[in-house]
Amino acid sequence: GESVGLHLPTLSVQEGDNSIINCAYSNSASDYFIWYKQESGKGPQFIIDIRSNMDKRQGQRVTVLLNKTVKHLSLQIAATQPGDSAVYFCAENKGGSEKLVFGKGTKLTVNP
Amino acid sequence: DAGITQSPRHKVTETGTPVTLRCHQTENHRYMYWYRQDPGHGLRLIHYSYGVKDTDKGEVSDGYSVSRSKTEDFLLTLESATSSQTSVYFCAISDRGDGQPQHFGDGTRLSIL
Repeated sequence: GESVGLHLPTLSVQEGDNSIINCAYSNSASDYFIWYKQESGKGPQFIIDIRSNMDKRQGQRVTVLLNKTVKHLSLQIAATQPGDSAVYFCAENKGGSEKLVFGKGTKLTVNP
Repeated sequence: DAGITQSPRHKVTETGTPVTLRCHQTENHRYMYWYRQDPGHGLRLIHYSYGVKDTDKGEVSDGYSVSRSKTEDFLLTLESATSSQTSVYFCAISDRGDGQPQHFGDGTRLSIL
């Protein structure tokens, strides 16, 4: 069935380092993927998205990579800052579906 | 944030009582969603709406009902609350449904004793 998961439930990095958060998905029909950031006490906040016709997309300090061959998605955060500490979720959407399927999240902690 | 207000933000109630949570949006988006978030489960879809008076079930819809009488408001009702419905509830909106991100409110923390 459809599922989106994450390889690591927690990730701890030093301030200034680059962070990589991974996500595996199982539905090969999914064609749209999103990364969200959730800070404590708040709702998920959209970071970046990517469609299946792309392998890479860059935003401000963030890059999403999509490997359709192994059904893997990653979020790279450059020069990680304390404000990046949060839980990060990936989500997938199958073409034509009105619903997103969310992974369970990775907690990123940035140490000063 | 994307013009989404959830109310109340916190509620404590007793088992067996009815509870209604409200989501209000100012974006005129067509799609609205209700999720619950529990440790170890991530975000799970309860119900969603694709227009006024048009709703459908998500993966965890048992014990919940919804109503959408106007574009801007989406109500989630627990007819007879149970302790298993203690959770954080999030509303989300989307303009088109597929192929677009959903934007979330800040949640309602509901405790059922």
